[in-house]
Amino acid sequence: GDSVTQMEGPVTLSEEAFLTINCTYTATGYPSLFWYVQYPGEGLQLLLKATKADDKGSNKGFEATYRKETTSFHLEKGSVQVSDSAVYFCALNKEDDYKLSFGAGTTVTVRA
Amino acid sequence: DAGVIQSPRHEVTEMGQEVTLRCKPISGHDYLFWYRQTMMRGLELLIYFNNNVPIDDSGMPEDRFSAKMPNASFSTLKIQPSEPRDSAVYFCASSLTPYSNQPQHFGDGTRLSIL
Repeated sequence: GDSVTQMEGPVTLSEEAFLTINCTYTATGYPSLFWYVQYPGEGLQLLLKATKADDKGSNKGFEATYRKETTSFHLEKGSVQVSDSAVYFCALNKEDDYKLSFGAGTTVTVRA
Repeated sequence: DAGVIQSPRHEVTEMGQEVTLRCKPISGHDYLFWYRQTMMRGLELLIYFNNNVPIDDSGMPEDRFSAKMPNASFSTLKIQPSEPRDSAVYFCASSLTPYSNQPQHFGDGTRLSIL
C-alpha cells in the first residue's frame, strides 16, 4: 500500500541554521505530496504541496521539490527561526483517493 | 473564515464513562474527517463523511466508537464505554473535495485522557 517515510527526529537547530527533513514515499501512479506543520497545541496546517513530478512547493521560506525518480519530497529552509519549532508531517494522496497517508512526523526545535 | 472548530479542547474522564467530541466544519465544506493521533500509531483516519453521510468507517477501532453528522455544520465522535487506551488527540478536518486539489483543514484537536 501507499506509505510515507520521514527522517526520525527530534531535530534541534540553532536560529538561522539550514533545515532539511527527508521524506520518501511508496505509491503507485502519480500521488500528490504535501507537507503539513503542527505548532504546539494546534492542529495540522498545510505548509506546501506539489501535485506532479518536478513541481516545487514553497511557503514561508520552506521549499520541497517532487522528485519522482527518487520518490522523494524533502523539505528545506535556508534560515530557520524559533517560530519554526513544530512537528512536520509529510503526506501523500492519490488522485482518485481521499485518504491522506501521513509520515510519522518530525519534531523540530529551533533554539535562539 | 472561522476554521474548523472542535470542542472540548481537553477532556479528562474515568474509564467506563461516555465521551462525546464535537466538530463544526468550515461552512461549505462537504467532506469531514475524524483522525486520532497517538505517539505509537501517529495519525490515523477513523471515519470520513460526504454530505453528512458516512462513507468509510473502516478506521473506527471498535464498536465502542461511533460518529454522526446530523447536519452540514455539526459532527460528533462518541466513545462508550471509554478505556485508557483511547487516550489520544482527536482531530476533525474538513475540505471542499476529498482530493489533492483541495487541502484538508484541521481543527485544533481534543486532547482526551481516560483515567
